Amino acid sequence: GNSVTQMEGPVTLSEEAFLTINCTYTATGYPSLFWYVQYPGEGLQLLLKATKADDKGSNKGFEATYRKETTSFHLEKGSVQVSDSAVYFCARRDSSYKLIFGSGTRLLVRP
Amino acid sequence: NAGVTQTPKFRVLKTGQSMTLLCAQDMNHEYMYWYRQDPGMGLRLIHYSVGEGTTAKGEVPDGYNVSRLKKQNFLLGLESAAPSQTSVYFCASSQSGSTDTQYFGPGTRLTVL
Repeated sequence: GNSVTQMEGPVTLSEEAFLTINCTYTATGYPSLFWYVQYPGEGLQLLLKATKADDKGSNKGFEATYRKETTSFHLEKGSVQVSDSAVYFCARRDSSYKLIFGSGTRLLVRP
Repeated sequence: NAGVTQTPKFRVLKTGQSMTLLCAQDMNHEYMYWYRQDPGMGLRLIHYSVGEGTTAKGEVPDGYNVSRLKKQNFLLGLESAAPSQTSVYFCASSQSGSTDTQYFGPGTRLTVL
């Protein structure tokens, strides 16, 4: 079917550690892919996106590359900060314009 | 420019009661969406609208109704609330449907007793 699968959290890291949150998708064709972030008590905000294969989205030190060979869009950051503690959602566009979300991965960064 | 706003922020209902959640956007967006967020399940689309006067069902529409009488507003109604509708509800909007970003409101936390 058409879905988005994320690694289960929570992910707990020390400040300045390297972050990877895995995301894979199933779909027909090459949908646009997104990472959204939800800080405590807030709504979702777009973090980055990629609209075609091999595109790299980046923002605030986070990066994700659209890999059609592995149908993946893993989120990475070289050095996390306490302020990055949040829930991260991977999502893809479906055949029209609706977003299909993964279940979310909670990140906790300790000082 | 407030973006996407939602009213109310919190609400507690008894089973069988009705209520309406209001979403408003001031970005002149054509598309609007209602999602619910439940633990371990991400966000699921309830209903959406591709323009004023139009609505369509999403992934989990049962028990909800919507209306888009004005372009800037998208209302979500619960006619007879059930405990299974306890959730956090998010509204979002986007200019179009292709690659445009969806902008989310801050959410409404609803508890049905």
